[in-house]
Amino acid sequence: SQQGEEDPQALSIQEGENATMNCSYKTSINNLQWYRQNSGRGLVHLILIRSNEREKHSGRLRVTLDTSKKSSSLLITASRAADTASYFCATETSGSRLTFGEGTQLTVNP
Amino acid sequence: DVKVTQSSRYLVKRTGEKVFLECVQDMDHENMFWYRQDPGLGLRLIYFSYDVKMKEKGDIPEGYSVSREKKERFSLILESASTNQTSMYLCAGRRGRVGPQHFGDGTRLSIL
Repeated sequence: SQQGEEDPQALSIQEGENATMNCSYKTSINNLQWYRQNSGRGLVHLILIRSNEREKHSGRLRVTLDTSKKSSSLLITASRAADTASYFCATETSGSRLTFGEGTQLTVNP
Repeated sequence: DVKVTQSSRYLVKRTGEKVFLECVQDMDHENMFWYRQDPGLGLRLIYFSYDVKMKEKGDIPEGYSVSREKKERFSLILESASTNQTSMYLCAGRRGRVGPQHFGDGTRLSIL
């Protein structure tokens, strides 16, 4: 079964609004990563947060991690049409393998 | 920028054929990975490699094998293609044992 589960499965917002996606996982992790995938393309790494970190920022992205709840959230502020993509969380455990969730499809309407 | 290149974007093969999917990376990554991506199932790890001539099974290795004769090249082999192997195949590289993976653009494989 998948380690990470994203919520919601799909999200549709207007340009300029914020988008929040959530990820839950089941076991202890070393780090959690978020990736973006544009339609028909490969995944692009966005941000990595370590298990001892609680929050991380990168440009318009903000990621939080709550290891007690085994959950993470990705916030995209001031969204743009170009942010339309699928977003995946992936957890890395001591075995150095990534386990991906099924993704959230984000649509940003102009 | 890191570059991971998959040899074909689209590929159509017939049941029973032996299929080779090639992946080349230009950043001296020790670690390379093969995933398949299916609707509703996300990405699943098929095989990975920590170094030349080394390979490890992922979560769904059945029906696949891999080859890593050179550090920059990691090949996925479908020994006898079947229709349930129709999927998007993604290759990735990573410099160390932990951290971000860099993906190719994927090969959409159809087995008829």
